[in-house]
Amino acid sequence: EAQVTQNPRYLITVTGKKLTVTCSQNMNHEYMSWYRQDPGLGLRQIYYSMNVEVTDKGDVPEGYKVSRKEKRNFPLILESPSPNQTSLYFCASSLMSGGPLSGANVLTFGAGSRLTVL
Amino acid sequence: SQKIEQNSEALNIQEGKTATLTCNYTNYSPAYLQWYRQDPGRGPVFLLLIRENEKEKRKERLKVTFDTTLKQSLFHITASQPADSATYLCADTGRRALTFGSGTRLQVQP
Repeated sequence: EAQVTQNPRYLITVTGKKLTVTCSQNMNHEYMSWYRQDPGLGLRQIYYSMNVEVTDKGDVPEGYKVSRKEKRNFPLILESPSPNQTSLYFCASSLMSGGPLSGANVLTFGAGSRLTVL
Repeated sequence: SQKIEQNSEALNIQEGKTATLTCNYTNYSPAYLQWYRQDPGRGPVFLLLIRENEKEKRKERLKVTFDTTLKQSLFHITASQPADSATYLCADTGRRALTFGSGTRLQVQP
């Protein structure tokens, strides 16, 4: 089944304890992205990647890191989590068949990772 | 600044009626708009895409319009059902940093 898989789905951690949220897709998609979703603010993009070893900042990158060493994986790293990073996180991918700036590229989302930082 | 906005108030309608949700954009003109459905605690799922040179797009009971004069896209669900209850998101996907509206929650009463 074609899908985007995120882990963990739920995590409670403490301030300053490094954590990684993994994201993997089995559709050979070139484009991958991370979003956070907060009440009243909607989905905001954290980082995205057009291809292996190519990453770029989205709207809210502060406090996050990403890497794209393989096409299928795009982990989100919180080096020193803080309570304001408590949120629902989504990974998404797209085939980018219309080229990198084509609005016709449809996103496939993972099921989400709910993170609480105490 | 460039914005894409949706009515944050929930929309409540009776089963069988047509639901109409609005997506407005300001200070720019997106080349594409996409609509997604999101159920509580789950990731958004793609529904429809419309290009700026298309006035209307349909898929089964769903219809999307794109009015570049009004800077607005409307999303319609005809013959609505309780199973259509969800949050619907519009998205400007014509740029690298894909931008979503905050979503409108639809509640269809039986």
